[in-house]
Amino acid sequence: DAKTTQPTSMDCAEGRAANLPCNHSTISGNEYVYWYRQIHSQGPQYIIHGLKNNETNEMASLIITEDRKSSTLILPHATLRDTAVYYCIVETSGSRLTFGEGTQLTVNP
Amino acid sequence: GAVVSQHPSRVICKSGTSVKIECRSLDFQATTMFWYRQFPKQSLMLMATSNEGSKATYEQGVEKDKFLINHASLTLSTLTVTSAHPEDSSFYICSARRRYRVMNTEAFFGQGTRLTVV
Repeated sequence: DAKTTQPTSMDCAEGRAANLPCNHSTISGNEYVYWYRQIHSQGPQYIIHGLKNNETNEMASLIITEDRKSSTLILPHATLRDTAVYYCIVETSGSRLTFGEGTQLTVNP
Repeated sequence: GAVVSQHPSRVICKSGTSVKIECRSLDFQATTMFWYRQFPKQSLMLMATSNEGSKATYEQGVEKDKFLINHASLTLSTLTVTSAHPEDSSFYICSARRRYRVMNTEAFFGQGTRLTVV
């Protein structure tokens, strides 16, 4: 199963773009990259996922490098409510989603 | 997005008693549900995969006789913590994926259940 590496924490100013990196150098060809976030004491919330093409939805954009060994989640205009732990996950065998330590994003006023 | 509901959201029980947590997919059918546990300041740890109509698959190190999982229908899975002890106090979270669309589809998570064993 591919593992992911993320920075432990990041800060971002309110209204600016938040760019959260993730390394997944051992990803295999049919594995998807998922992003979730967890606000304190709540269940995780789905953000976006992709295979190899860049993806965009109402919450964020996902940029996946051509070799698929890394990706970046972009929150275009971060707000205080985006403060959360962000998890980058590669789909594991048996369709289990296993979580790493994630990145604590703090959006500052 | 789809909704997964957990009940109760918070429970306090005495040591030695059993506690049941329900996880329901409200507007879709879920062939597969997942149960996680999260201790303070830690990430989610997958405990088991629950398949409708069959036995759950437990992750290594998770006691299947202590954490009983039942997935009797396509919309309901239950986790029973048997003979709970203070070390079982944790945040328990379930998730579900749509029936027959397990790969390449997002998982939806419940709001979690805070279990405190006293």
